[in-house]
Amino acid sequence: QQPVQSPQAVILREGEDAVINCSSSKALYSVHWYRQKHGEAPVFLMILLKGGEQKGHEKISASFNEKKQQSSLYLTASQLSYSGTYFCGTGGQRGNEKLTFGTGTRLTIIP
Amino acid sequence: NAGVTQTPKFQVLKTGQSMTLQCAQDMNHNSMYWYRQDPGMGLRLIYYSASEGTTDKGEVPNGYNVSRLNKREFSLRLESAAPSQTSVYFCASRTSSYNSPLHFGNGTRLTVT
Repeated sequence: QQPVQSPQAVILREGEDAVINCSSSKALYSVHWYRQKHGEAPVFLMILLKGGEQKGHEKISASFNEKKQQSSLYLTASQLSYSGTYFCGTGGQRGNEKLTFGTGTRLTIIP
Repeated sequence: NAGVTQTPKFQVLKTGQSMTLQCAQDMNHNSMYWYRQDPGMGLRLIYYSASEGTTDKGEVPNGYNVSRLNKREFSLRLESAAPSQTSVYFCASRTSSYNSPLHFGNGTRLTVT
């Protein structure tokens, strides 16, 4: 089953903050976050792992609540370049290579 | 360094025709994936391969077959295309580690008339 993302779409002015949520009906071991610009391939943002480890390379933060089977992506002081569709992907435990994505959240930043 | 290469970039098929989408990666990754993307549906997993010689079904495998030809290549075949298979198809790969990111190809836009 696909994880559920909310909101489906959000429009912000430059400089405002956004939170994108991802929840799963199954136990989470890892959560991936990707951003996709229109007409392009998704690009990796961050991985959160059960136990608190995070891997990422942009000025974006995220949280991972294992008990609630949820993750949230925090975009602060949004820039025009943050526009795009954000996807969360949920994976199984170590040794399980399956990775399932949510339906996406479209973020539009306006000047 | 090419990364993940998909061919073709665009394809138009008639209902009932067959075709194979090709995917190759040069990063020595063990795991490879095929996703389809439709408006409002996000990225849906069709098939994946955790290592050379193994393949597993994803969420929407019906109407598709895959072949992990070797470590580099993972192909997706439509035996009898249907209009419902009109979509953008993405191939992705990563190392065999649940904490490693996916690297995506640029996609194949397929239209079935």
